[in-house]
Amino acid sequence: SAVISQKPSRDICQRGTSLTIQCQVDSQVTMMFWYRQQPGQSLTLIATANQGSEATYESGFVIDKFPISRPNLTFSTLTVSNMSPEDSSIYLCSVRLAGGYEQYFGPGTRLTVT
Amino acid sequence: AQSVTQPDIHITVSEGASLELRCNYSYGATPYLFWYVQSPGQGLQLLLKYFSGDTLVQGIKGFEAEFKRSQSSFNLRKPSVHWSDAAEYFCAVGMSGGYQKVTFGTGTKLQVIP
Repeated sequence: SAVISQKPSRDICQRGTSLTIQCQVDSQVTMMFWYRQQPGQSLTLIATANQGSEATYESGFVIDKFPISRPNLTFSTLTVSNMSPEDSSIYLCSVRLAGGYEQYFGPGTRLTVT
Repeated sequence: AQSVTQPDIHITVSEGASLELRCNYSYGATPYLFWYVQSPGQGLQLLLKYFSGDTLVQGIKGFEAEFKRSQSSFNLRKPSVHWSDAAEYFCAVGMSGGYQKVTFGTGTKLQVIP
Protein backbone atom coordinates (compact mmCIF):
# COMPACT_ATOMS: atom_id res chain seq x y z
CA SER A 1 0.00 0.00 0.00
CA ALA A 2 0.99 3.66 0.10
CA VAL A 3 0.76 6.43 2.67
CA ILE A 4 -0.74 9.54 1.15
CA SER A 5 -1.00 12.95 2.77
CA GLN A 6 -2.91 15.99 1.59
CA LYS A 7 -2.66 19.63 2.53
CA PRO A 8 -4.72 21.45 3.57
CA SER A 9 -7.16 19.07 5.22
CA ARG A 10 -9.88 21.67 4.95
CA ASP A 11 -10.32 25.30 3.97
CA ILE A 12 -12.97 27.94 3.65
CA CYS A 13 -12.43 30.22 0.69
CA GLN A 14 -14.14 33.20 -0.84
CA ARG A 15 -15.74 33.19 -4.23
CA GLY A 16 -13.37 34.13 -7.02
CA THR A 17 -10.18 33.03 -5.28
CA SER A 18 -8.01 29.96 -5.95
CA LEU A 19 -6.80 27.16 -3.72
CA THR A 20 -3.92 24.78 -4.33
CA ILE A 21 -4.11 21.32 -2.79
CA GLN A 22 -0.97 19.28 -2.30
CA CYS A 23 -0.67 15.50 -2.41
CA GLN A 24 2.45 13.73 -1.14
CA VAL A 25 3.08 9.97 -1.37
CA ASP A 26 5.63 8.06 0.64
CA SER A 27 6.87 6.09 -2.37
CA GLN A 28 7.27 6.56 -6.09
CA VAL A 29 4.08 5.78 -7.95
CA THR A 30 3.31 5.51 -11.61
CA MET A 31 -0.15 7.00 -11.60
CA MET A 32 -1.77 9.71 -9.52
CA PHE A 33 -5.38 10.80 -9.76
CA TRP A 34 -7.55 13.63 -8.52
CA TYR A 35 -11.18 13.07 -7.63
CA ARG A 36 -14.03 15.29 -6.52
CA GLN A 37 -16.70 14.15 -4.11
CA GLN A 38 -19.57 16.58 -3.87
CA PRO A 39 -21.73 16.54 -0.74
CA GLY A 40 -23.60 13.25 -0.49
CA GLN A 41 -22.28 12.08 -3.84
CA SER A 42 -19.89 9.49 -5.17
CA LEU A 43 -16.43 10.12 -6.52
CA THR A 44 -15.88 11.75 -9.88
CA LEU A 45 -12.50 11.57 -11.55
CA ILE A 46 -11.17 15.02 -12.44
CA ALA A 47 -7.90 14.06 -14.07
CA THR A 48 -4.90 11.80 -14.13
CA ALA A 49 -1.71 13.59 -13.12
CA ASN A 50 1.09 12.57 -15.46
CA GLN A 51 4.69 13.01 -14.39
CA GLY A 52 6.53 15.33 -16.73
CA SER A 53 3.60 16.03 -19.01
CA GLU A 54 0.18 17.65 -19.02
CA ALA A 55 -2.58 16.02 -17.01
CA THR A 56 -5.30 14.02 -18.72
CA TYR A 57 -8.70 15.55 -17.94
CA GLU A 58 -12.05 13.81 -17.87
CA SER A 59 -15.07 15.10 -19.69
CA GLY A 60 -16.46 18.17 -17.98
CA PHE A 61 -13.17 19.24 -16.39
CA VAL A 62 -10.74 21.69 -17.98
CA ILE A 63 -7.19 22.73 -17.29
CA ASP A 64 -8.03 26.40 -16.84
CA LYS A 65 -10.32 25.57 -13.94
CA PHE A 66 -8.32 22.70 -12.42
CA PRO A 67 -4.63 23.09 -13.29
CA ILE A 68 -2.56 20.15 -12.10
CA SER A 69 1.15 19.78 -11.63
CA ARG A 70 3.21 16.67 -11.09
CA PRO A 71 6.88 17.56 -10.86
CA ASN A 72 8.04 14.11 -9.69
CA LEU A 73 6.82 10.61 -8.87
CA THR A 74 5.77 11.37 -5.29
CA PHE A 75 4.07 14.76 -5.46
CA SER A 76 1.20 16.48 -7.21
CA THR A 77 -0.90 19.60 -6.81
CA LEU A 78 -4.44 20.44 -7.86
CA THR A 79 -5.55 24.06 -8.05
CA VAL A 80 -9.20 24.98 -7.95
CA SER A 81 -9.36 28.33 -9.76
CA ASN A 82 -11.85 31.16 -9.66
CA MET A 83 -13.94 29.29 -7.15
CA SER A 84 -17.70 29.41 -6.83
CA PRO A 85 -19.94 27.80 -4.19
CA GLU A 86 -20.50 24.90 -6.61
CA ASP A 87 -16.85 23.95 -6.10
CA SER A 88 -17.54 23.11 -2.46
CA SER A 89 -16.52 19.46 -2.31
CA ILE A 90 -14.03 17.02 -0.93
CA TYR A 91 -11.04 16.70 -3.22
CA LEU A 92 -9.22 13.38 -3.04
CA CYS A 93 -5.83 12.37 -4.31
CA SER A 94 -5.27 8.72 -5.13
CA VAL A 95 -2.42 6.63 -6.47
CA ARG A 96 -1.90 3.33 -8.15
CA LEU A 97 1.32 1.44 -7.50
CA ALA A 98 3.41 -0.09 -10.25
CA GLY A 99 2.09 -3.53 -11.14
CA GLY A 100 -1.10 -3.03 -9.15
CA TYR A 101 -4.68 -2.30 -10.14
CA GLU A 102 -6.18 -0.96 -6.95
CA GLN A 103 -6.06 2.68 -5.93
CA TYR A 104 -5.12 4.11 -2.57
CA PHE A 105 -6.60 7.36 -1.35
CA GLY A 106 -5.45 10.30 0.65
CA PRO A 107 -7.57 11.67 3.50
CA GLY A 108 -9.10 14.35 1.30
CA THR A 109 -9.36 18.13 1.38
CA ARG A 110 -12.73 19.53 2.39
CA LEU A 111 -13.29 22.79 0.55
CA THR A 112 -16.08 25.22 1.33
CA VAL A 113 -16.58 28.23 -0.92
CA THR A 114 -18.58 31.13 0.42
CA ALA B 1 -18.03 2.22 -20.79
CA GLN B 2 -18.31 0.49 -17.47
CA SER B 3 -20.87 1.40 -14.81
CA VAL B 4 -21.66 0.43 -11.25
CA THR B 5 -25.00 0.31 -9.46
CA GLN B 6 -25.47 0.18 -5.74
CA PRO B 7 -29.24 -0.11 -5.36
CA ASP B 8 -29.34 0.56 -1.64
CA ILE B 9 -28.67 4.16 -0.66
CA HIS B 10 -29.04 3.55 3.05
CA ILE B 11 -29.11 0.37 5.14
CA THR B 12 -29.70 -0.06 8.87
CA VAL B 13 -28.67 -3.22 10.68
CA SER B 14 -28.48 -4.21 14.31
CA GLU B 15 -25.11 -4.79 15.86
CA GLY B 16 -24.25 -8.48 15.60
CA ALA B 17 -26.52 -9.05 12.62
CA SER B 18 -25.26 -10.13 9.24
CA LEU B 19 -24.77 -7.66 6.40
CA GLU B 20 -24.95 -7.83 2.64
CA LEU B 21 -24.40 -4.77 0.44
CA ARG B 22 -25.33 -5.13 -3.17
CA CYS B 23 -23.29 -4.11 -6.18
CA ASN B 24 -24.02 -4.70 -9.85
CA TYR B 25 -21.70 -3.72 -12.64
CA SER B 26 -21.81 -3.36 -16.37
CA TYR B 27 -18.69 -4.13 -18.34
CA GLY B 28 -18.05 -6.16 -21.46
CA ALA B 29 -15.00 -8.07 -20.29
CA THR B 30 -13.84 -9.45 -16.96
CA PRO B 31 -13.71 -6.46 -14.65
CA TYR B 32 -11.51 -5.57 -11.77
CA LEU B 33 -13.80 -5.07 -8.78
CA PHE B 34 -13.25 -3.26 -5.52
CA TRP B 35 -15.02 -2.34 -2.31
CA TYR B 36 -13.98 0.74 -0.38
CA VAL B 37 -15.15 2.12 2.94
CA GLN B 38 -15.29 5.79 3.88
CA SER B 39 -15.76 6.77 7.49
CA PRO B 40 -17.07 10.28 8.22
CA GLY B 41 -14.45 12.88 7.41
CA GLN B 42 -12.00 10.31 6.10
CA GLY B 43 -10.62 9.21 2.78
CA LEU B 44 -11.42 5.86 1.19
CA GLN B 45 -9.93 2.65 2.51
CA LEU B 46 -9.69 -0.44 0.32
CA LEU B 47 -11.60 -3.35 1.85
CA LEU B 48 -11.00 -5.97 -0.81
CA LYS B 49 -10.44 -6.53 -4.51
CA TYR B 50 -11.11 -9.09 -7.20
CA PHE B 51 -9.03 -9.54 -10.33
CA SER B 52 -9.30 -13.22 -11.16
CA GLY B 53 -9.31 -16.67 -9.63
CA ASP B 54 -11.39 -17.64 -6.62
CA THR B 55 -14.67 -15.77 -6.84
CA LEU B 56 -14.98 -15.46 -3.07
CA VAL B 57 -12.48 -12.92 -1.81
CA GLN B 58 -11.60 -12.09 1.75
CA GLY B 59 -10.81 -8.58 2.85
CA ILE B 60 -9.92 -6.63 5.91
CA LYS B 61 -12.13 -6.12 8.95
CA GLY B 62 -13.89 -9.46 8.43
CA PHE B 63 -15.49 -8.52 5.11
CA GLU B 64 -15.82 -10.80 2.11
CA ALA B 65 -17.30 -10.44 -1.35
CA GLU B 66 -18.39 -12.86 -4.02
CA PHE B 67 -18.03 -12.27 -7.75
CA LYS B 68 -20.93 -13.76 -9.72
CA ARG B 69 -20.36 -13.34 -13.41
CA SER B 70 -23.82 -14.64 -14.36
CA GLN B 71 -25.45 -11.96 -12.24
CA SER B 72 -22.85 -9.22 -12.87
CA SER B 73 -22.68 -8.79 -9.14
CA PHE B 74 -20.03 -8.31 -6.48
CA ASN B 75 -21.89 -8.19 -3.17
CA LEU B 76 -20.13 -7.40 0.07
CA ARG B 77 -20.88 -9.45 3.16
CA LYS B 78 -20.04 -9.59 6.82
CA PRO B 79 -21.42 -12.24 9.18
CA SER B 80 -21.59 -10.03 12.27
CA VAL B 81 -21.61 -6.25 12.11
CA HIS B 82 -19.89 -4.10 14.71
CA TRP B 83 -20.87 -0.52 15.60
CA SER B 84 -17.55 0.64 14.15
CA ASP B 85 -18.64 -0.60 10.71
CA ALA B 86 -21.01 2.35 10.39
CA ALA B 87 -19.69 4.19 7.33
CA GLU B 88 -20.30 4.62 3.63
CA TYR B 89 -19.35 1.79 1.31
CA PHE B 90 -18.43 2.21 -2.32
CA CYS B 91 -18.24 -0.48 -4.95
CA ALA B 92 -15.96 0.24 -7.90
CA VAL B 93 -15.15 -1.38 -11.22
CA GLY B 94 -11.99 -1.04 -13.24
CA MET B 95 -11.23 -1.93 -16.80
CA SER B 96 -8.79 -4.73 -17.42
CA GLY B 97 -5.81 -3.67 -19.48
CA GLY B 98 -4.84 -0.31 -20.83
CA TYR B 99 -5.70 2.84 -18.93
CA GLN B 100 -7.68 1.00 -16.26
CA LYS B 101 -10.00 3.83 -15.28
CA VAL B 102 -12.01 3.06 -12.16
CA THR B 103 -15.69 3.94 -11.88
CA PHE B 104 -17.34 4.24 -8.48
CA GLY B 105 -20.88 3.47 -7.48
CA THR B 106 -23.02 5.99 -5.65
CA GLY B 107 -22.37 4.40 -2.28
CA THR B 108 -24.39 2.74 0.47
CA LYS B 109 -24.53 4.37 3.86
CA LEU B 110 -24.58 1.81 6.66
CA GLN B 111 -26.11 2.62 10.01
CA VAL B 112 -25.58 0.22 12.91
CA ILE B 113 -28.03 0.28 15.79
CA PRO B 114 -27.46 -1.27 19.23
